[in-house]
Amino acid sequence: QVQLQESGPGLVKPSGTLSLTCAVSGDSISSPNWWSWVRQPPGKGLEWIGEIYHSGSTNYNPSLKSRVTISVDKSKNQFSLKLNSVTAADTAMYYCAIRYLSKIDPWGQGALVTVSS
Amino acid sequence: EIVLTQSPGTLSLSPGERATLSCRASQSVSSSYLGWYQQKPGQAPRLLIYGASSRATGIPDRFSGSGSGTDFTLTISRLEPEDFAVYYCQQYGSSLWTFGQGTKVEIK
Repeated sequence: QVQLQESGPGLVKPSGTLSLTCAVSGDSISSPNWWSWVRQPPGKGLEWIGEIYHSGSTNYNPSLKSRVTISVDKSKNQFSLKLNSVTAADTAMYYCAIRYLSKIDPWGQGALVTVSS
Repeated sequence: EIVLTQSPGTLSLSPGERATLSCRASQSVSSSYLGWYQQKPGQAPRLLIYGASSRATGIPDRFSGSGSGTDFTLTISRLEPEDFAVYYCQQYGSSLWTFGQGTKVEIK
């Protein structure tokens, strides 16, 4: 059974860089999946951030593309999210998830990141 | 960018009743890439339906999806206590995934 676990700082200063890692267990990061990030501001809906294939190909949400980098670390079987120039609007629960064809499943439990000085 | 609009915003029903949730797209969506997710408080979303009408693994058959083009529906035939949650539709197009704003199904 595939499991995902997000980790990273829970507090980031405005204008700083948000960095999260998603550790994958039960599957190889080199399997034919897209490794995805989705976020959810408190009390609001879901926003897709982007995804990466094991080859390194990426797709990003155009609204965030200028600030986002998603990368894969095959040696650690994990993938990462970096979001720079953060503001309070980037405060959210950040989920990593697997996409295979049209299915986004499973999801990690989420990591809450607060942007505040 | 395709915008998904879900209705109603909130659905107040009693256990045992039928729930019908709507998801309307701003332009035609490939049925192959239309999904529905359930989210309970404090939990990550869970895939219910993919390809507009296929149930994900372990999803009870009281959940069903239908529709094509710009209009899609999630139906819960008989609400169980554990079904009260927020439901999101989602689509993929032009290398971009978008979600609807969600429908909350609450106990009446």
